[in-house]
Amino acid sequence: DTAVSQTPKYLVTQMGNDKSIKCEQNLGHDTMYWYKQDSKKFLKIMFSYNNKELIINETVPNRFSPKSPDKAHLNLHINSLELGDSAVYFCASSHGSGGSNQPQHFGDGTRLSIL
Amino acid sequence: EDKVVQSPLSLVVHEGDTVTLNCSYEVTNFRSLLWYKQEKKAPTFLFMLTSSGIEKKSGRLSSILDKKELFSILNITATQTGDSAIYLCAASRRDSNYQLIWGAGTKLIIKP
Repeated sequence: DTAVSQTPKYLVTQMGNDKSIKCEQNLGHDTMYWYKQDSKKFLKIMFSYNNKELIINETVPNRFSPKSPDKAHLNLHINSLELGDSAVYFCASSHGSGGSNQPQHFGDGTRLSIL
Repeated sequence: EDKVVQSPLSLVVHEGDTVTLNCSYEVTNFRSLLWYKQEKKAPTFLFMLTSSGIEKKSGRLSSILDKKELFSILNITATQTGDSAIYLCAASRRDSNYQLIWGAGTKLIIKP
């Protein structure tokens, strides 16, 4: 019954490593997102995908790359991890096409800790 | 630059009290204002407000939008310890179907 699920829940790794976080939604939504929430709890949009097209790409380092094999999945790949990447990463989804005004539904987050 | 400002940043009250959380916005082509509750994990959706002056209610929670003064409030009556959370406010734009402008949140602590 999980609507937006992301794995893993926790990820502890060393600087310089490459890691991926997976996200899947079973809500039939058109748009998926990745957010970074830092220690101050501020949610910052990183990417969103609508029908396999990247439609937002904020000022995020190119070490971060989203990959969407289909509209139910949006994975986040991070290369050459840095200490500042430590945060909680949230995946979300919504109906987003055709001008609809629908809320976003969030996954439980992945807590990434860089040693 | 678009911005959403929430106040207070944190609030500590006793069980049974009523609280009011504030959210002001300056957003070009504003469309709607959303409230979320974040406990330990995912932000969960509470309300979406599009029209001024129409109160939305869900149990002890209610919210209203003032598009003239550019703010929204979230009221919680007869607070319970389970209401302890971070309450997030976000605004959407008419010219962007996807991007939300988020406030920093209000951390609410309810003491027994």
